[in-house]
Amino acid sequence: DIQMTQSPSSLSASVGDRVTITCRASQSITSYLNWYQQKPGRAPKLLIYAASTLQSGVPSRFSGSGSATDFTLTISSLQPEDFATYYCQQSYSTPSTFGQGTKVEIK
Amino acid sequence: EVQLVESGGGLVQPGGSLRLSCAVSGFTFSSYEMNWVRQAPGKGLEWVSYISATGDTIYYADSVQGRFTLSRDNAKNSLYLQVNSLRAEDTAVYYCARATMVVAAFDYWGQGTLVTVSS
Repeated sequence: DIQMTQSPSSLSASVGDRVTITCRASQSITSYLNWYQQKPGRAPKLLIYAASTLQSGVPSRFSGSGSATDFTLTISSLQPEDFATYYCQQSYSTPSTFGQGTKVEIK
Repeated sequence: EVQLVESGGGLVQPGGSLRLSCAVSGFTFSSYEMNWVRQAPGKGLEWVSYISATGDTIYYADSVQGRFTLSRDNAKNSLYLQVNSLRAEDTAVYYCARATMVVAAFDYWGQGTLVTVSS
């Protein structure tokens, strides 16, 4: 199975900050990397697919980059509604696997 | 509007069974691959099972292989997960999720149904 490792596991940031979350795959997954946002008690929401394509309706302050084994999710200017947990996921091979999550908290 | 609505969760004793359902609307169900993903309390996301659009290809996580059975009824726009021989570690919110046609990202999710395995 492909292991997905996110860092950091949590971070504290202020509104307006630039936030970067990284995700590393244990082997190449080309661009089969997706990012999700989850708020407490809610289902995950797809933010970015294929490493860098913004899902319809997602604000442009979210962006993704990377390929092969190293990927990044960036929030250019953190907004109050962005405080949540973020997960990466590889859909390159079965079983699909998720990172352990990154919790973004208010500083 | 795309909607996925899970049902069938509840409290069950170890070794028991449940049938989880996912009723969908707002899209052509028979054209999409579907998945179940679960989340134990306070934990991360774990993929559970996949089914192709026609239902002829199904995959399971090792942790549920041989105990869970996934099926779909395209005429009824519904997905079913039969969960047997339940263990305490199966306690989780179970989500059904639609896979995109591009890279199989999960673009729509249900609200989840809670399965609690406890004596």
